[in-house]
Amino acid sequence: DTAVSQTPKYLVTQMGNDKSIKCEQNLGHDTMYWYKQDSKKFLKIMFSYNNKELIINETVPNRFSPKSPDKAHLNLHINSLELGDSAVYFCASSQDPTGFGVQETQYFGPGTRLLVL
Amino acid sequence: TQLLEQSPQFLSIQEGENLTVYCNSSSVFSSLQWYRQEPGEGPVLLVTVVTGGEVKKLKRLTFQFGDARKDSSLHITAAQPGDTGLYLCAGSGAGSYQLTFGKGTKLSVIP
Repeated sequence: DTAVSQTPKYLVTQMGNDKSIKCEQNLGHDTMYWYKQDSKKFLKIMFSYNNKELIINETVPNRFSPKSPDKAHLNLHINSLELGDSAVYFCASSQDPTGFGVQETQYFGPGTRLLVL
Repeated sequence: TQLLEQSPQFLSIQEGENLTVYCNSSSVFSSLQWYRQEPGEGPVLLVTVVTGGEVKKLKRLTFQFGDARKDSSLHITAAQPGDTGLYLCAGSGAGSYQLTFGKGTKLSVIP
């Protein structure tokens, strides 16, 4: 059984289009994330939701809008795609941090490779 | 903003050699994790270190958390081609949902 799944795996589109990436986790986690990995492999947090509530919202253009219909799903919608949006987007999930300083394991999906032409 | 610097950025070695990857910061982290990412896949957790000075071993991999909890190292003994991949360190503050990732070390082990 796949723990964290993303669709689509590949997405090729024209500049200016609007696209969505879907993510689902079957681990029973309360927290989900979206990361962007650029061509130099730098992985940067974009958003995080805990129990359907937005808790991390890094400096990301407002063309990116996450939506969490329930705890198991976190989708990413991107409006007016630009060339610089080309990257691999990873969804991840985790248990809530314990509060004792130990970061829980984050389980990553296989990634969505977005290419904007 | 907490930053993590990883070095080296690229490492190409022969099978059987030993290597060390470093992860440094000026910030203190409550915990630090190491992930490995293979081409076309998402990162997978290798280890979490929590206590300053802590050493953890995972077969041929040895992880150490610095005494001041600002740095960490990953040492691989007798590297194998299967160790090839991108190694990422990631740190977080107490009770934080947010992981700050280093820029990664791309390791190639040549048979």
